[in-house]
Amino acid sequence: QQQVKQSPQSLIVQKGGISIINCAYENTAFDYFPWYQQFPGKGPALLIAIRPDVSEKKEGRFTISFNKSAKQFSLHIMDSQPGDSATYFCAARSPGGGADGLTFGKGTHLIIQP
Amino acid sequence: DTAVSQTPKYLVTQMGNDKSIKCEQNLGHDTMYWYKQDSKKFLKIMFSYNNKELIINETVPNRFSPKSPDKAHLNLHINSLELGDSAVYFCASSLAGGYGYTFGSGTRLTVV
Repeated sequence: QQQVKQSPQSLIVQKGGISIINCAYENTAFDYFPWYQQFPGKGPALLIAIRPDVSEKKEGRFTISFNKSAKQFSLHIMDSQPGDSATYFCAARSPGGGADGLTFGKGTHLIIQP
Repeated sequence: DTAVSQTPKYLVTQMGNDKSIKCEQNLGHDTMYWYKQDSKKFLKIMFSYNNKELIINETVPNRFSPKSPDKAHLNLHINSLELGDSAVYFCASSLAGGYGYTFGSGTRLTVV
């Protein structure tokens, strides 16, 4: 059972464009939704995160939009740059906290073309 | 300073062997984890551990066992390695509650 569904699997965006990655979840008890960025040969690194009582969070060029009623959240990368090319994972935290770990989406391979 | 460090970075071994992967964190976190990333990049939790309890993902074979000598270390021991164990294994840590994970750089395990 996949509790966090992520799309698209891969995405190609022109430099300067907007990259949008979507996630949907099933467990309404999830209480924290981070996004991770992973470069080849490296571990995932926390990019930005949101809690369900907030509809939007922005940090620089990265924005999370959160729709609690639809059980969906998305990552927007404005003015996308070649250095943003990486694999992006959405995730959700179980209410049991750290003991249950994060549940990850299957990842989106993003390519920014110069 | 490396926050979460894993060794070795690469591990190639034969089927049936026993191997260990070491993980250390210097962030003062009290919860540590092991994740497996398969060839399709899917990240799946294997274990989480704090100084009070070990939580094991029920799908993980009992050939895998975490060992924590202290709060800053969580090693992964694997017995009787199989071809299907080939993957990248990530160690991570967080404060209690599971917010703000920090991952290590991974150990690529290849079983031949």
